[in-house]
Amino acid sequence: DTGVSQNPRHKITKRGQNVTFRCDPISEHNRLYWYRQTLGQGPEFLTYFQNEAQLEKSRLLSDRFSAERPKGSFSTLEIQRTEQGDSAMYLCASSRVSGGDQNEQFFGPGTRLTVL
Amino acid sequence: AQTVTQSQPEMSVQEAETVTLSCTYDTSENNYYLFWYKQPPSRQMILVIRQEAYKQQNATENRFSVNFQKAAKSFSLKISDSQLGDTAMYFCAFMKRTSGTYKYIFGTGTRLKVLA
Repeated sequence: DTGVSQNPRHKITKRGQNVTFRCDPISEHNRLYWYRQTLGQGPEFLTYFQNEAQLEKSRLLSDRFSAERPKGSFSTLEIQRTEQGDSAMYLCASSRVSGGDQNEQFFGPGTRLTVL
Repeated sequence: AQTVTQSQPEMSVQEAETVTLSCTYDTSENNYYLFWYKQPPSRQMILVIRQEAYKQQNATENRFSVNFQKAAKSFSLKISDSQLGDTAMYFCAFMKRTSGTYKYIFGTGTRLKVLA
């Protein structure tokens, strides 16, 4: 197993453009999470999926943000009409509901977004 | 709402010495998990150690151990025989164990530097 992967690793965009990030979780993990991390801060929860169902969204997630996990495998996070305040590291994590490591979240390397 | 506080933004320790990182949290839940994650510079977050609140015994993992004080809502991490590779940001995280949300609440982190 190669762990959680995220693409792209870095994204530079101009204000007002749309961006999409992808996360591929560990294959047997049915929970998938998105977090946002700004410099000097801990990760902040954005949203999470159990299989294909999006079960919770943070109030931090404005209507410019949307996330999908269409087949319960990979997930995408789209930000529309990006703003400079969206500049951050976007982290994906996955976990499973049973097993010795249940509820332990495994993190990907993140996608660093810079909005100019 | 749950909160996690890490009151030490930065710490340093000499190689081979012992260091303790502090974490306090606030919750009305009785059943939850606590975690310490390590985020090395420009690398992804990895789990250091986890503690289930119903277990009275403090978790240990090689050179890493915790001092879990449930009544005081304190969860400190002790690193013994510090190594240069321990240099990283360390995040304390809380997750409630009851059904519903399975998101982590992170602290703001402690930057640890191990000195040669």
